[in-house]
Amino acid sequence: ETGVTQTPRHLVMGMTNKKSLKCEQHLGHNAMYWYKQSAKKPLELMFVYSLEERVENNSVPSRFSPECPNSSHLFLHLHTLQPEDSALYLCASSPTGGSGANVLTFGAGSRLTVL
Amino acid sequence: GQNIDQPTEMTATEGAIVQINCTYQTSGFNGLFWYQQHAGEAPTFLSYNVLDGLEEKGRFSSFLSRSKGYSYLLLKELQMKDSASYLCAVMDSNYQLIWGAGTKLIIKP
Repeated sequence: ETGVTQTPRHLVMGMTNKKSLKCEQHLGHNAMYWYKQSAKKPLELMFVYSLEERVENNSVPSRFSPECPNSSHLFLHLHTLQPEDSALYLCASSPTGGSGANVLTFGAGSRLTVL
Repeated sequence: GQNIDQPTEMTATEGAIVQINCTYQTSGFNGLFWYQQHAGEAPTFLSYNVLDGLEEKGRFSSFLSRSKGYSYLLLKELQMKDSASYLCAVMDSNYQLIWGAGTKLIIKP
């Protein structure tokens, strides 16, 4: 049990569908993150929330829309995606945003396939 | 630009020792992390180095040389369960994590 739970683990959607990814952490952390992981590429930071406020949006297309209703839950709403958006989407949390030894705890990821 | 380099794939034998290198060029430095990721699973934290030298944690050790922009992860007494990807990440001066593409380690009996 990693302490960070992501659902669904696998998702297949068409380009016109609307779906959401969910992330939940029970670690009492104050910061939550969405990362995109593509094969043989570095992790790409998409969004960061610290104390439920979005502090970073790394120029992510608007077809990805995050939501953080409280410090334990994070959503990624998906709409009108493209095939190149197929990837593993990882959620992570940390005690704080930034600072030195800020260790991330990751969920197992949601594998997204866009047809 | 900022860059982290690590080998794409390495192969080693069960019971042996393997060293996974990571070189970095970043805007400032606030520490280097190693994570392990088994296929289909979450990345998990292995080590954090912010000062030069070797940090030992059981079978795993991590080394840092800030002047050379270089780190390595040393795995001893390799076990089949060590087959995984190993991710190197550096925290820059803005406390942003810069990630390498990961090294896939294959352990053979």
